[in-house]
Amino acid sequence: EAGVAQSPRYKIIEKRQSVAFWCNPISGHATLYWYQQILGQGPKLLIQFQNNGVVDDSQLPKDRFSAERLKGVDSTLKIQPAKLEDSAVYLCASSLPALAGSPYEQYFGPGTRLTVT
Amino acid sequence: AQSVTQLDSHVSVSEGTPVLLRCNYSSSYSPSLFWYVQHPNKGLQLLLKYTSAATLVKGINGFEAEFKKSETSFHLTKPSAHMSDAAEYFCVGSGNTPLVFGKGTRLSVIA
Repeated sequence: EAGVAQSPRYKIIEKRQSVAFWCNPISGHATLYWYQQILGQGPKLLIQFQNNGVVDDSQLPKDRFSAERLKGVDSTLKIQPAKLEDSAVYLCASSLPALAGSPYEQYFGPGTRLTVT
Repeated sequence: AQSVTQLDSHVSVSEGTPVLLRCNYSSSYSPSLFWYVQHPNKGLQLLLKYTSAATLVKGINGFEAEFKKSETSFHLTKPSAHMSDAAEYFCVGSGNTPLVFGKGTRLSVIA
């Protein structure tokens, strides 16, 4: 089965510019996640979608970050304007909906490495 | 609140020797626990998951982990390291919250 696709793989921008990342989850996966992984740290959840609705965006810096999943499949994450501290790898993951008492396995894409100069 | 602590930021072993990567968790709930591996420039891959069905969990590539409630630990082991095991390993927890990642342990394998 095809995995989670992300593009671009690498992006270099100057601070105050805008950038967008795209994610295509595994077919049939209703749940989609965006994570930020800063160098030397574990991934941090930014936002979780269930179909096209937001389940959790408590750690999303909403003054500059936005995300959407309009048709419940692909998703885009946007940063506007970017800051130096946004330099990180942005990971997209997808999963089937969690069942009661059963942990859900997330499948991760290769990530987009963002460098803000 | 759910949290996981990986006790070593870097572990170095010789090829063919055992691997031990340590993880402790804290949770107000019965946790779900995972180990993920991340090779350079590649996505995170699930090694194994604890679902409360068995305390000793076997995963891919010869890895296994044992859930010890008395010690609040979920250490990852492998009897014999291979060069291809060199990567970053993350212990991950989930109670009634989204996944929480540890800071990672970088495993180096020396020939």
